[in-house]
Amino acid sequence: DTGVSQDPRHKITKRGQNVTFRCDPISEHNRLYWYRQTLGQGPEFLTYFQNEAQLEKSRLLSDRFSAERPKGSFSTLEIQRTEQGDSAMYLCASSLATEQETQYFGPGTRLLVL
Amino acid sequence: DAKTTQPPSMDCAEGRAANLPCNHSTISGNEYVYWYRQIHSQGPQYIIHGLKNNETNEMASLIITEDRKSSTLILPHATLRDTAVYYCIVRAYGQNFVFGPGTRLSVLP
Repeated sequence: DTGVSQDPRHKITKRGQNVTFRCDPISEHNRLYWYRQTLGQGPEFLTYFQNEAQLEKSRLLSDRFSAERPKGSFSTLEIQRTEQGDSAMYLCASSLATEQETQYFGPGTRLLVL
Repeated sequence: DAKTTQPPSMDCAEGRAANLPCNHSTISGNEYVYWYRQIHSQGPQYIIHGLKNNETNEMASLIITEDRKSSTLILPHATLRDTAVYYCIVRAYGQNFVFGPGTRLSVLP
């Protein structure tokens, strides 16, 4: 399967703990996006990378959130000192930077903070 | 905020065509219309996109009105597996994809 993969698929943690999620994009894609989705809502943009450079961050991305894409391939999203409000589906997407850019999404990581 | 308006829900009988409308009255000349769908507990799946002309692929057809202020996604022969939330997004190069709440399509046996 050469699609976008995410790991883990599910994560349960206690409030105050740190969590890290990984995303492996489609291999030739130079852009990688992170989104958050809560129940009944569409995905909300968090941040994106072009190669290894983080080009944009949403105001939704608080100081407790950090994302990296060190070699322009896989990416990690870390949440420090998790709060119950962080419970959501975290989605990763990748794309080629073209005028008709099409993003391809992974299956998501569902986070539950107790 | 999303630049599109979609009905919150629709039903369709299995085997019939599903026609999902989307209003984007403020669309700019360089903005494409994209459709994605999300089946329960999965990531969004790309369906189709277009600029001015109607488009068709193996999944669906996209009909864009001449003034580009609205569009319709057509699933020609809906199956139970097409039950999902369908998102219509308008986006120009350099802009982010902004998802609204979408249309929840239920295909009924």
